[in-house]
Amino acid sequence: GAVVSQHPSWVICKSGTSVKIECRSLDFQATTMFWYRQFPKQSLMLMATSNEGSKATYEQGVEKDKFLINHASLTLSTLTVTSAHPEDSSFYICSAAGEVGGFDSPLHFGNGTRLTVT
Amino acid sequence: GQSLEQPSEVTAVEGAIVQINCTYQTSGFYGLSWYQQHDGGAPTFLSYNALDGLEETGRFSSFLSRSDSYGYLLLQELQMKDSASYFCAVSDNYGQNFVFGPGTRLSVLP
Repeated sequence: GAVVSQHPSWVICKSGTSVKIECRSLDFQATTMFWYRQFPKQSLMLMATSNEGSKATYEQGVEKDKFLINHASLTLSTLTVTSAHPEDSSFYICSAAGEVGGFDSPLHFGNGTRLTVT
Repeated sequence: GQSLEQPSEVTAVEGAIVQINCTYQTSGFYGLSWYQQHDGGAPTFLSYNALDGLEETGRFSSFLSRSDSYGYLLLQELQMKDSASYFCAVSDNYGQNFVFGPGTRLSVLP
């Protein structure tokens, strides 16, 4: 159980374009979803926390107008990287927390999206 | 502020036992988790401690001492496939704000 599906797994786009990444919880309702970014050989850095039906909470230093997050349902959250630039190239990972095992249950991660901006 | 510390690298041979330590300073604490990440993959959950003591799951065990703000992951009977990065993570709020440590790169040698 507790499967999180993330799509696409990799994407290459041109500078200035926008990219949408989807994160779905397949067998549980994810009241909260988290979006992380990971640069090579570094740790996961939390970008934002999204709760279904409300605005996302962004971490300090993360531009909310550049990284648009929508959590329209209990099973889907999307991250849109707008006007992407080469420095946005990274590994983006979503995770979900919900009623699986209670709110203190571990995170369940999607398989990540490797974004390359040329 | 919130900070977690882990050793950056650990090397061991097949069949050995290795311990990866994690110390943390967070404004709140709801549990210490451990995740494994292979190169190019997503993190996968290994173990979770909310209370002091040792949790055992097969070859992997995790320990927590809340009074010392310290925990460790113990890997026994190391296998080549255990070569990966290991992250400790603290939830400092009820179901929110998971903060990850810098990660420990484990290399298992034949």
